[in-house]
Amino acid sequence: QKEVEQNSGPLSVPEGAIASLNCTYSDRGSQSFFWYRQYSGKSPELIMFIYSNGDKEDGRFTAQLNKASQYVSLLIRDSQPSDSATYLCAVRTAGGTSYGKLTFGQGTILTVHP
Amino acid sequence: DGGITQSPKYLFRKEGQNVTLSCEQNLNHDAMYWYRQDPGQGLRLIYYSQIVNDFQKGDIAEGYSVSREKKESFPLTVTSAQKNPTAFYLCASSLRDIGRAEAFFGQGTRLTVV
Repeated sequence: QKEVEQNSGPLSVPEGAIASLNCTYSDRGSQSFFWYRQYSGKSPELIMFIYSNGDKEDGRFTAQLNKASQYVSLLIRDSQPSDSATYLCAVRTAGGTSYGKLTFGQGTILTVHP
Repeated sequence: DGGITQSPKYLFRKEGQNVTLSCEQNLNHDAMYWYRQDPGQGLRLIYYSQIVNDFQKGDIAEGYSVSREKKESFPLTVTSAQKNPTAFYLCASSLRDIGRAEAFFGQGTRLTVV
């Protein structure tokens, strides 16, 4: 089982729709959860981080965390063509010999079409 | 300006040659990371370091080596033992505190074996 798994893509949504990106993780010692956006040929940029169960909203983005289910998601409302990119889920471990290890999923390609 | 600087941006390596990728940060971050990204793939962790003079292997450490002699610097050496080194290499840094653990990336080094 991979440490961090994202829903397989690519994901295509029309402009103005809600895009839903999902991620599961295997290490129950994980404490910090991140969503990054990466445009082709560029380095990842941080969109959202979440540490506590529940929802966290920032503009058009909402991150949701459920530690019991080991699940984290990202919702993008009113999707725009400029949101078209690869979205990476990342999880940071807090305990044991892997303290601080930051593991990424394989990424989900999102395309927003006009 | 604070940030993470990777150099060079492009690097060409001959078969059997060792090369070193530079990563410097002036964010006063304790933790630093090296990732490898292949086309259409997510980020795979090579090595990470939480404090000076200490580092841990990631998921794909074979054929790579690192050092962490200074807080600001975390160079990565790609050795001749790495059989398929052509990839995009990304360095990241973050605070060590799990509760403030957002990682920020450099612009990457694209390594090609010729």
